[in-house]
Amino acid sequence: DVKVTQSSRYLVKRTGEKVFLECVQDMDHENMFWYRQDPGLGLRLIYFSYDVKMKEKGDIPEGYSVSREKKERFSLILESASTNQTSMYLCASSGSFSGANVLTFGAGSRLTVL
Amino acid sequence: GQNIDQPTEMTATEGAIVQINCTYQTSGFNGLFWYQQHAGEAPTFLSYNVLDGLEEKGRFSSFLSRSKGYSYLLLKELQMKDSASYLCAVIGGSNYQLIWGAGTKLIIKP
Repeated sequence: DVKVTQSSRYLVKRTGEKVFLECVQDMDHENMFWYRQDPGLGLRLIYFSYDVKMKEKGDIPEGYSVSREKKERFSLILESASTNQTSMYLCASSGSFSGANVLTFGAGSRLTVL
Repeated sequence: GQNIDQPTEMTATEGAIVQINCTYQTSGFNGLFWYQQHAGEAPTFLSYNVLDGLEEKGRFSSFLSRSKGYSYLLLKELQMKDSASYLCAVIGGSNYQLIWGAGTKLIIKP
């Protein structure tokens, strides 16, 4: 089974803190994604990466950055957390960038910013 | 603009059949996914449609009409474990990115 592991299930941070969300996949997938999920809204893409050291902005990249130093690991960074970044963050991976590949998701990281 | 519409919540009875609709308006179309997400868990893949028609997979079927911008997920012989949110997502436009609906929360009652 493909596994996508997000290191933190629940985090509580204060406004202005730097936050790291880690995601690791074990199936040698090229593509990795970070989404946020908020009630009443569809998943919104923050950043994605289709190769090591490559990154592309998604629909809502403001306030976030990412790092992909190794193929299996994709990190989401909030440089200075704000209350409007309180959300569920989902990491996903897929096997190739042809548009029809199934995403495998991690269980999510629920971040609360006070 | 690009838009995916699904009902917010539906209720059905154990053993019955339920149809969850998804309508979409996107600048392009390269396929449609359905995912299931139990509360507090990761979304998991259910189905993928790129051609018109019905795809059956056990108790679950998914239908697509590209001309109408419409899909539905049909769940038969409902079980309590089918209580979950069902997410519709379209691969739209030239960049092959997924556009997600807000999801339909399905509540199964005994």
